Amino acid sequence: AQKITQTQPGMFVQEKEAVTLDCTYDTSDPSYGLFWYKQPSSGEMIFLIYQGSYDQQNATEGRYSLNFQKARKSANLVISASQLGDSAMYFCAMREGSWNNDMRFGAGTRLTVKP
Amino acid sequence: DGGITQSPKYLFRKEGQNVTLSCEQNLNHDAMYWYRQDPGQGLRLIYYSQIVNDFQKGDIAEGYSVSREKKESFPLTVTSAQKNPTAFYLCASSISGQGAITEAFFGQGTRLTVV
Repeated sequence: AQKITQTQPGMFVQEKEAVTLDCTYDTSDPSYGLFWYKQPSSGEMIFLIYQGSYDQQNATEGRYSLNFQKARKSANLVISASQLGDSAMYFCAMREGSWNNDMRFGAGTRLTVKP
Repeated sequence: DGGITQSPKYLFRKEGQNVTLSCEQNLNHDAMYWYRQDPGQGLRLIYYSQIVNDFQKGDIAEGYSVSREKKESFPLTVTSAQKNPTAFYLCASSISGQGAITEAFFGQGTRLTVV
């Protein structure tokens, strides 16, 4: 069974600095995808970035990048140049490539950006 | 605009009553999901459906029921057997199928409170 672990319940970062949010995963399926979502206090889930298990390069989307270390089964999210609006919950998720491929989430990390 | 609509946004239920949460999508997605989120916690999978007339239990299905009679709709019933139903409920949808590792799109959520 797939499993997602986020070990940082809360993180603080100074505005304009970079921050790394950790995510490790466990799966026996060679085909899988890793996702990061942002959840502001409004509760909506905002998709940020995706990394496929066969992708050779780390994914990037604007200020977001994913540090994918396949052998270590980690998929850390890096946010560069933090902004006050980045304060939110961040969730790592995984979806396997098999037919019955539901999406499972980690416990989340609450990021607070300080001015 | 394509998207997922959850209704109502807020719902109050008396103890012992069943209540149904609505989720409709017009993204032409085969897969739909229901998650429960408790304050400060991650998303836990209740039920998911990969195709019409089929659905699978997630990690916390006890006390909940679903139906998938139409591709666009995946209602969740919180029954009186669910002992602690107060939570934030999120519905999502995605492309389905072998190798379909794509992001899930979420509704705005329903906040259920037992009074």
